[in-house]
Amino acid sequence: QSVLTQPPSASGTPGQKVTISCSGSSSNIGSNTVNWYQHLPGTAPKLLIYANDLRASGVPDRFSASKSGTSASLAISGLQSEDEADYYCAAWDDSLSGHVVFGGGTKVTVL
Amino acid sequence: EVQLVQSGAEVKKPGESLKISCKGSGYRFSSYWIGWVRQMPGKGLEWMGIIYPGDSDTIYSPSFEGQVTISADTSISTAYLQWSSLKASDTAMYYCVRRPSGTKDYYGMDVWGQGTTVTVSS
Repeated sequence: QSVLTQPPSASGTPGQKVTISCSGSSSNIGSNTVNWYQHLPGTAPKLLIYANDLRASGVPDRFSASKSGTSASLAISGLQSEDEADYYCAAWDDSLSGHVVFGGGTKVTVL
Repeated sequence: EVQLVQSGAEVKKPGESLKISCKGSGYRFSSYWIGWVRQMPGKGLEWMGIIYPGDSDTIYSPSFEGQVTISADTSISTAYLQWSSLKASDTAMYYCVRRPSGTKDYYGMDVWGQGTTVTVSS
């Protein structure tokens, strides 16, 4: 059971917009920034978004993210076949000595 | 080019010890945190812990504290993840990651190694 909650799957047709939610608590998302990672099959995960809404180097502007309270979301506009991947949210959690917590991941399928 | 290159796949028996490595290049190794992330077969990503090679400050996830040891050798720009007694449940892919200094993971994990597969089976 992951500390951050994501839907297990999301899907869309090419060109559509897909949104993935990430729900946490006051000890993680509520008091720290959120990062998003893309994990394409057979490759290492890649940083997509950091500090809630800043795109990492080389990430197309089709990817955007936001945070409000204890929740965050990632949006993929103009969905493309190469966006089919697992997406994970992550945040620092202040509980205990402090550590990073991940969401369980959302599998995005391009129909 | 900034990169993290990990050691190769390992096949071990339960109870054996293991140390896998992650060599950084293309940047000042001692000035960035290095962490480890586990992905068990068919499961999601789990953060294990991080070390700041410059002063060896180490933070473990509560889930992994006491189960593994993270270390680093700045003279060869290499970080390590080790187990003293492996279990079958340690079978997973392990990624090393670079984390820029900043407040509470503000910049995220911006560089990932290619992953090391660890298989523990009798």
